[in-house]
Amino acid sequence: EAGVTQFPSHSVIEKGQTVTLRCDPISGHDNLYWYRRVMGKEIKFLLHFVKESKQDESGMPNNRFLAERTGGTYSTLKVQPAELEDSGVYFCASSQGRLNTGELFFGEGSRLTVL
Amino acid sequence: AQSVAQPEDQVNVAEGNPLTVKCTYSVSGNPYLFWYVQYPNRGLQFLLKYITGDNLVKGSYGFEAEFNKSQTSFHLKKPSALVSDSALYFCAVRDRVNAGNNRKLIWGLGTSLAVNP
Repeated sequence: EAGVTQFPSHSVIEKGQTVTLRCDPISGHDNLYWYRRVMGKEIKFLLHFVKESKQDESGMPNNRFLAERTGGTYSTLKVQPAELEDSGVYFCASSQGRLNTGELFFGEGSRLTVL
Repeated sequence: AQSVAQPEDQVNVAEGNPLTVKCTYSVSGNPYLFWYVQYPNRGLQFLLKYITGDNLVKGSYGFEAEFNKSQTSFHLKKPSALVSDSALYFCAVRDRVNAGNNRKLIWGLGTSLAVNP
């Protein structure tokens, strides 16, 4: 069974440009999460989808970030326009079920560098 | 504010020796507790969790963790370290309340474990 896959693995863009990150969760996982780790800081929650619905987007930094999960399968996270402080590793994770006891399955992350 | 502390940026241990990676938390209520590991160039991987019951939980690759409610700690341990255990270890907590907007994990900064041959 394929795990969580993320694309691209690394993206280097200039300030003001747009980047779209993609996440394909494990098939059948209704829950999809985006997290971000900025260098030297802790991993921070961005948002949580249940199928195609945004369950919690309290961690989204600002309106330059837009996440979608059309059809409840893969998800995209767009940053437009990118700023220097957006640099970091963006992790996607998926899980089954509705309980908070379940573990998350993570992708390898997409490293974003904004110059 | 809710937070997770991993007081050591790096832990060095000789192969074959026991290892401990520390984690304490400051979270309201009695959260669920997790450890994840990140090997070089890989994604985060679940190691173990504490939900309820026995304070000592066992996980993957011979790791275990001890929940201490009075000290609000959840230290990760292994009796005999392997070179292949060298990785980045993250402690995380999650609220027990299964509200729709309450599913997020709160993370520590991570601890880099280096096991020397």
